[in-house]
Amino acid sequence: GAGVSQSPSNKVTEKGKDVELRCDPISGHTALYWYRQSLGQGLEFLIYFQGNSAPDKSGLPSDRFSAERTGGSVSTLTIQRTQQEDSAVYLCASSRGSQGEKLFFGSGTQLSVL
Amino acid sequence: QQQVKQSPQSLIVQKGGISIINCAYENTAFDYFPWYQQFPGKGPALLIAIRPDVSEKKEGRFTISFNKSAKQFSLHIMDSQPGDSATYFCASRPGATAGYQKVTFGIGTKLQVIP
Repeated sequence: GAGVSQSPSNKVTEKGKDVELRCDPISGHTALYWYRQSLGQGLEFLIYFQGNSAPDKSGLPSDRFSAERTGGSVSTLTIQRTQQEDSAVYLCASSRGSQGEKLFFGSGTQLSVL
Repeated sequence: QQQVKQSPQSLIVQKGGISIINCAYENTAFDYFPWYQQFPGKGPALLIAIRPDVSEKKEGRFTISFNKSAKQFSLHIMDSQPGDSATYFCASRPGATAGYQKVTFGIGTKLQVIP
């Protein structure tokens, strides 16, 4: 498909476990973003990758959260020692350039921490 | 720190009516103001966007009004239809001197258009 692909679409985990969320951006898009969507909280910026530049990690809520982007394409968001407050929809978006215009979002991963 | 304040959080409009969603921003470095539309189970999708050099942009039934001095912008949906029922997010992005990348979103407005 031509869109942003995220997997899994749903993830249920136990408190304290680690989880990995995957994002496949649109081919050729150099910019990749992760956002978190919680009920009543809007879209919370987590991290941004642009080409080979150092990522903007300023939105990561704690050191339990990390992300990497391999080969300028696929990205993985890792949450260690999950907590119940981590339950949310995690959205990935990509865009063609660095200017933050027209973000293309995936359908997200619904994370539930029990 | 909420840099983009959006209201209302929910809105019910009758079919054929006008839906109006408002946003206010704080950062004067913002120079691009998009609106995104999100249907249940899907990611947001760009609907319409405006730059601060114009006061209004219209695309079909959707219009953005922009007031630079008040640091406010709004989305107007004319002749609202049940298919417009979705969550709408306003957003802002800083310009080149402040670093383009971090697009900041509002809290979202859940719009329901009733027949």
